[in-house]
Amino acid sequence: GQNIDQPTEMTATEGAIVQINCTYQTSGFNGLFWYQQHAGEAPTFLSYNVLDGLEEKGRFSSFLSRSKGYSYLLLKELQMKDSASYLCAGAGSYQLTFGKGTKLSVIP
Amino acid sequence: DSGVTQTPKHLITATGQRVTLRCSPRSGDLSVYWYQQSLDQGLQFLIQYYNGEERAKGNILERFSAQQFPDLHSELNLSSLELGDSALYFCASSDKLTGGGGEAFFGQGTRLTVV
Repeated sequence: GQNIDQPTEMTATEGAIVQINCTYQTSGFNGLFWYQQHAGEAPTFLSYNVLDGLEEKGRFSSFLSRSKGYSYLLLKELQMKDSASYLCAGAGSYQLTFGKGTKLSVIP
Repeated sequence: DSGVTQTPKHLITATGQRVTLRCSPRSGDLSVYWYQQSLDQGLQFLIQYYNGEERAKGNILERFSAQQFPDLHSELNLSSLELGDSALYFCASSDKLTGGGGEAFFGQGTRLTVV
């Protein structure tokens, strides 16, 4: 099985940088995903890490340490539209297991 | 638009009833996943099908069942509905058998309200 932990809520200021952490325990690990979900909408894919290190994609970056069971999502130059829930998901043998999500509020 | 279509978008029904939620995956995707998301809860994995066969089961109640048809669309059947079954039900599809190696694309969800 899999266990995913991430903070429930975070608040950050527009233009700033925020880091959302995720720890996981999993069997049959096949990578770590980050999804963004606005309230009442479908999750949308942000990033995927299967090897250790940092993956950068525009304003968003994601890091993975398999030995530590740890990942983070880094959001730079925050915009108001980044206010959403960010879901960490561990890929197992056959399924994606999601954490409960971190609700990020971006304030002016 | 993710390419995954779910119908209906909204559904209101009474306790004790049975409903069917439908999902059409992206063209070419063989894997279909069903998730339940209750208010303020994370996405709870229910079940996965790959090319018509059940591949993984999560916390799916016995009152719930699913299937994937030869044309790859999938249906989630919820019976003997209770108030606590009110939630958003998402379908996702992927071109991979395993959970990793490829992103899953989500439909817009079906919001089920049991009254």
